[in-house]
Amino acid sequence: EAGVAQSPRYKIIEKRQSVAFWCNPISGHATLYWYQQILGQGPKLLIQFQNNGVVDDSQLPKDRFSAERLKGVDSTLKIQPAKLEDSAVYLCASSLGQGIETQYFGPGTRLLVL
Amino acid sequence: GENVEQHPSTLSVQEGDSAVIKCTYSDSASNYFPWYKQELGKRPQLIIDIRSNVGEKKDQRIAVTLNKTAKHFSLHITETQPEDSAVYFCAVREGGTYKYIFGTGTRLKVLA
Repeated sequence: EAGVAQSPRYKIIEKRQSVAFWCNPISGHATLYWYQQILGQGPKLLIQFQNNGVVDDSQLPKDRFSAERLKGVDSTLKIQPAKLEDSAVYLCASSLGQGIETQYFGPGTRLLVL
Repeated sequence: GENVEQHPSTLSVQEGDSAVIKCTYSDSASNYFPWYKQELGKRPQLIIDIRSNVGEKKDQRIAVTLNKTAKHFSLHITETQPEDSAVYFCAVREGGTYKYIFGTGTRLKVLA
């Protein structure tokens, strides 16, 4: 079974630039999560999708972050414009559905904002 | 919303000794409690989980205990090995929202 795929793996940008991350969950997984993990901290949920609908985006800084999962499969997370404090690893995870809890994480995208 | 605290932040043990990491949570409706291991530069990997209707679960050297009344759960690693060295995160799934809240992590060092 293929795991959660993410790209790119690394990205370096200057502040005020834009960046986009892509995630392809495990086939058949209805729930998709985007997390931000700042160095030395636990993952913080940014947004959670159930199929193509948003379940929770309460911690997504909506003035600069956006995410979509148009066809209920893969997803993109965008930052525009980036700030220095956005430097972090962005982790995508998926699970079968809200009744099946096990989350599988992708390898993450490491973002450095200069 | 849910609040998760994890202790200790760092833990050093001699190889062969046991390690215990504890998490507390605030929302009594939370119903699922996974533990993840994260090695440097890698993704979090689920190592064990427990649901709210169970008090203890064991998988070889790893066990998790849950005290719903006190709202805390603990990870126990016995006969530790150097390859157990990593950062361990607890997480709590909120009962109403299915949202996961992670602890702040424990850096475990197993000294050979």
